[in-house]
Amino acid sequence: GQQLNQSPQSMFIQEGEDVSMNCTSSSIFNTWLWYKQEPGEGPVLLIALYKAGELTSNGRLTAQFGITRKDSFLNISASIPSDVGIYFCAGQRSGGSNYKLTFGKGTLLTVNP
Amino acid sequence: GAVVSQHPSWVICKSGTSVKIECRSLDFQATTMFWYRQFPKQSLMLMATSNEGSKATYEQGVEKDKFLINHASLTLSTLTVTSAHPEDSSFYICSAPDGGGGTYEQYFGPGTRLTVT
Repeated sequence: GQQLNQSPQSMFIQEGEDVSMNCTSSSIFNTWLWYKQEPGEGPVLLIALYKAGELTSNGRLTAQFGITRKDSFLNISASIPSDVGIYFCAGQRSGGSNYKLTFGKGTLLTVNP
Repeated sequence: GAVVSQHPSWVICKSGTSVKIECRSLDFQATTMFWYRQFPKQSLMLMATSNEGSKATYEQGVEKDKFLINHASLTLSTLTVTSAHPEDSSFYICSAPDGGGGTYEQYFGPGTRLTVT
């Protein structure tokens, strides 16, 4: 099935640095979501975006819904060791009862203390 | 946020046996739930859409007779892996959209690690 283009695939950063990752699509989505997954666990929802151009923050995380509705980015400021994990973007077309998600391949984040 | 649980969190079974995995929405109702499979270091692969009171919808390439889905209530969906083989070993995750706020964000269960020996 379709996957979103998520980059970078992995990042190795020092504690305290800022991080940015993004997702692009060839088609439009009505909702963009960002999840974090740690080893052996299910993805946890970080931020959900519903409107083109929307900028939303959740603590040190900030995400934006691209104006074209075909892209989104996630920023993490002042990274800490517990930010380690895989971050997935997901697009949702949601209409009626169709809430399927299309996922990016994930960004593996490693934070060196 | 909404909470989705899965049971069991891990299971080991012998080749040829069947295994049932439960997915529950704990604080909301879900007419639709989704089942995913995830291999190490890969993204989630959607297997099927579970619909309360009707048949599940399977993604292309997923054997419906092997992966039986039952969505008997608004808070419970089950995935049964029938006649399991070692290649079925994987991490199985369910999700459910919470439409309480009208926005239908999907929440994921903690996953079930299946090992077939």
